Amino acid sequence: EIVLTQSPDTLSLSPGEEATLSCRASQSVGYAYLSWYQQKPGQAPRLLIYGTSTRATGVPDRFSGSGFGTEFTLTISRLEPEDFAVYYCQQYGGPPLYTFGQGTKLEIK
Amino acid sequence: DVQLVESGGGLVQPGGSLRLSCVVSGFTFSSYSMTWVRQAPGKGLEWISYISGSSVTIDYSDSVRGRFTISRDNAKDSLYLQMNSLTDEDTAVYYCARRSGGKGYFDYWGPGTLVTVSS
Repeated sequence: EIVLTQSPDTLSLSPGEEATLSCRASQSVGYAYLSWYQQKPGQAPRLLIYGTSTRATGVPDRFSGSGFGTEFTLTISRLEPEDFAVYYCQQYGGPPLYTFGQGTKLEIK
Repeated sequence: DVQLVESGGGLVQPGGSLRLSCVVSGFTFSSYSMTWVRQAPGKGLEWISYISGSSVTIDYSDSVRGRFTISRDNAKDSLYLQMNSLTDEDTAVYYCARRSGGKGYFDYWGPGTLVTVSS
């Protein structure tokens, strides 16, 4: 079973700073199969990044993804007030077929 | 515009059953695999079930396998989740989501429907 562990659980930063969120897999994940989502309170998740580094439609270029194998990173440069939310990584391939990380809460310092 | 809207949530007693629906619009439903993802109150996202466009391939997480059944009606642009033998651990917001063609990510999500299992 592939387990995704995100760190840190909570990240406190100020607008304008850079955020680095980590996602570690218990087994190697295919480059094409690691994605990131943003979720704000009371809302459904929103796709941000797929295929490790490709931004979804409409996602600002301050969001970027990188990584390989078992270590993946979501970087948000120049934080905007609307970026403070919970972020999840997700893998496909498993087993199980899909897995989400436990989430990283990005909060305003 | 692509839209997904879930319905059917509500309060159900432990051991009971519930059927969720997800009606979609704005895309050719039969061409896309679909999935259900749930989120317990204050917790993270949990994938629970997947169905291919033709219903040939179906999969479940271990937490719901044997109790939940996913299905779809392509003529009605609708996805379903039949949930039986519910426990309080099934209390969650249930989201339907579209899997991007041939890829392992979910590009569109519904707003979710809340299922509460309680006596």
